[in-house]
Amino acid sequence: AQSVTQLGSHVSVSEGALVLLRCNYSSSVPPYLFWYVQYPNQGLQLLLKYTSAATLVKGINGFEAEFKKSETSFHLTKPSAHMSDAAEYFCAVSRNSGNTPLVFGKGTRLSVIA
Amino acid sequence: KAGVTQTPRYLIKTRGQQVTLSCSPISGHRSVSWYQQTPGQGLQFLFEYFSETQRNKGNFPGRFSGRQFSNSRSEMNVSTLELGDSALYLCASSLEVGTGYNEQFFGPGTRLTVL
Repeated sequence: AQSVTQLGSHVSVSEGALVLLRCNYSSSVPPYLFWYVQYPNQGLQLLLKYTSAATLVKGINGFEAEFKKSETSFHLTKPSAHMSDAAEYFCAVSRNSGNTPLVFGKGTRLSVIA
Repeated sequence: KAGVTQTPRYLIKTRGQQVTLSCSPISGHRSVSWYQQTPGQGLQFLFEYFSETQRNKGNFPGRFSGRQFSNSRSEMNVSTLELGDSALYLCASSLEVGTGYNEQFFGPGTRLTVL
């Protein structure tokens, strides 16, 4: 079985500060890993994905994440927070094949303070 | 290219009623998945359809069902609604070009409120 744990249901940062959202996964097989963002009253938008290529993955809007197998982690970072980054962020895992369902973490709400 | 569309966007029902939600995938996408999002349980997988066949199913009671049509559009149905069915229901479609990674594109969701 696969699972995802997101540490911190709410993270608050100042504008311009580093954003770090934590995600740890559990998987018995090589995983695919994802970060999604959800703005109010909208669906999910893919930020970035790890599909067994480079362990440092760059995504949209300046976000990146590093796959660390030894730590079973896939933390999301952004060097400098912008007000528009305020949203809910979800880490997800699936098995290493194309047609398996996503298993999501509980989500982390990011607030950005001016 | 138009994204995934879901109708209706908002729905209010009462306990015991049934409801049908619709999802139109991105043109050319053959796989459609459904997820339920609630504050308590988060995002949970309901089921996935590919070429009109249910390919994967989550751990939901039989009151939740779905189907896919030949044009890949999908519907999900919830019968005998319960208060706990109040949620945002998200649909996602993917292209399915092979056995590798197939990105899922999500629609805006249908907000169901059960009174």
